[in-house]
This record gives sequence, structure tokens and C-alpha cells, in this order.
Amino acid sequence: QSALTQPASVSGSPGQSITISCAGTSSDVGSYGSVSWYQQHPGKAPKLIIYKVDYRPSGVSNRFSGSKSGNRASLTISGLQAEDEADYYCCSYAGGYTHYVFGTGTRVTVL
Amino acid sequence: QVQLQESGPRLVKPSGTLSLTCAVSGASVSTTHWWSWVRQSPGTGLEWIGEVYQSGTSNYNPSLKGRVTISIDKSKNQFSLMLNSVTAADTAVYYCGRVVGSGSYVDSWGQGTLVTVSS
Repeated sequence: QSALTQPASVSGSPGQSITISCAGTSSDVGSYGSVSWYQQHPGKAPKLIIYKVDYRPSGVSNRFSGSKSGNRASLTISGLQAEDEADYYCCSYAGGYTHYVFGTGTRVTVL
Repeated sequence: QVQLQESGPRLVKPSGTLSLTCAVSGASVSTTHWWSWVRQSPGTGLEWIGEVYQSGTSNYNPSLKGRVTISIDKSKNQFSLMLNSVTAADTAVYYCGRVVGSGSYVDSWGQGTLVTVSS
């Protein structure tokens, strides 16, 4: 099972919106509504920011939103802020044998 | 609020066994959650290692199957990872986490511990 494909880097200016894609297959993203997104600052543990495609945990800014179409999931960060500069990973449930697969990760830079 | 803390040797010799324990506080491992291990090699992405349920049922990453065992100790409210026949490629930060089974996502993470495989 290969990792989900994400762009290596995405950048934007403060206040702008950016979207990070997460390309999977019909065996993972396309088959299950269990896509989650994690934010990871350098030297820190990942933090859950989106679960079940488009749900936000309590305490996570509503500037983060998720969606899915077919085999592709997306994370949008609106009103980009300096504190959003971090690595972002998608993850999908992939069924009985593989169970979970993470994305390759995207470095977000705030210009 | 659930908290998870990894512990174990930080240095393991090649061909040896990596052993880590995740102590859970603020929640019981005897709940309807799965308990997982995820690792991150230096400068790379996240890799799911496996998970265990309160019953002892476990699931593993196929790429590691045969080398990995995850177990649970309800009396100590902790779960453990064992990875044998390690090589330098197993050098990574190892995270433990709580998986919400109904949605298959990790909602709580330990701080992570760097394990280096070296002679």
C-alpha cells in the first residue's frame, strides 16, 4: 500500500487561503469516509485538525476545513496566519489488510 | 483529558529488539478505543505501525508484520510495542496514540520518543 500523495510544499501570504490535496485510491480515500488531517510543528507531536473528512475537533479554528471528492481529499486553510506554518499530513482508513495509510506530508510556508 | 507518555530505551543495537511502553492517564485503555503506534523517521513522514484493542486483538502494518507485536496491559493502563530484528532504517521518533474507532483517527498523541538503532 503506497502512501497518499500530497504536494511537498504550499505557500501563501497572510490572510490568503490555501488548499492541500491528498490523492489516494479507490481502496482507501475513495472507499471510506475516514480521512483525517494532522498538523505538526517542528519537534512536536502531530495534532488532529480534521476527522471523518470534514469534522473539526473542539478547539480547532474554523479556518481549517476538509472535503473529499472521489479518491481525493483536501484541506483548506483560510485566512492564513503565521502560526499555520507547519507540516500537514492526511490519513485514510484503508480496510482490512492495510488499515491506515498516511500522506506524504505538505510543508506550509507563510510568506 | 487523556495523556499518553512513551518510555523505553533510546538506543538499540542492530538486530536487537526495540521495546516501548505507552502509559495512559486520564482515560482507561479498557474502553471502546484502539491504541496505536506511529513512527516518523528523521526528516520523513508518518508511518502507521499498528494498533491494539482492549481484548488484545491487534492489527499491524503489512510492511512490518512478522517483526512487530503490540500488547496491552489493562492492570497498568498501558500498552507496548516490540519490534525485533531492527536495523538503522527503524531509527525514528515513535509516537503512541488513541484511535477513535468509530472514525478511525488519532485524537490524542504522546509527545514521541526518538529511538536510534546503532552499534
